[in-house]
Amino acid sequence: QQQVRQSPQSLTVWEGETTILNCSYEDSTFDYFPWYRQFPGKSPALLIAISLVSNKKEDGRFTIFFNKREKKLSLHITDSQPGDSATYFCAARRGTNAYKVIFGKGTHLHVLP
Amino acid sequence: EAAVTQSPRNKVTVTGGNVTLSCRQTNSHNYMYWYRQDTGHGLRLIHYSYGAGNLQIGDVPDGYKATRTTQEDFFLLLELASPSQTSLYFCASSPGQGRDTGQLYFGEGSKLTVL
Repeated sequence: QQQVRQSPQSLTVWEGETTILNCSYEDSTFDYFPWYRQFPGKSPALLIAISLVSNKKEDGRFTIFFNKREKKLSLHITDSQPGDSATYFCAARRGTNAYKVIFGKGTHLHVLP
Repeated sequence: EAAVTQSPRNKVTVTGGNVTLSCRQTNSHNYMYWYRQDTGHGLRLIHYSYGAGNLQIGDVPDGYKATRTTQEDFFLLLELASPSQTSLYFCASSPGQGRDTGQLYFGEGSKLTVL
């Protein structure tokens, strides 16, 4: 059972476009939602994160929108660049059970120049 | 900068073999995690720990044991390796305090091939 779902699996956009990556969950004990980015052959690294107390988190070209009622998040990348081509993982931390951190399957993003 | 070191980086073994993957973090973090990464599955949690001597079961624990000997060291053990355990394994550490608990610092990964 996939506890954190991501869509689409794969996405191709043109340079300069806005990319939207989606994430959803069902477990109400999740309280913190980090997004990780992984370049080919590299380890995942934290990109941006949001907690339950916020509806929106912005960091440069990256913004998380959080609909708590529907348990949905989206990561928006404005002015997408070829260097943004990577796999993006949405993750969720369970606030109980010793802080278990679970990942979605990821979205592979390809930005064309 | 957080530092998580995994060894070995590459390992080839045969079915039924015994494998130990090691992870050391020098961040003084409380939490450590073992994930496996497979195409189409993302990162799946095998085991995790919030301190020396503690072990928590993850989502895909079958066939794996783990032990946290010190705050710094977390080991993943495959006692009877099978081809289905061929994967890229990541260790990660996390502060374990407040909301930043969800921020993981990853090692470089250990690629395991079971023939």
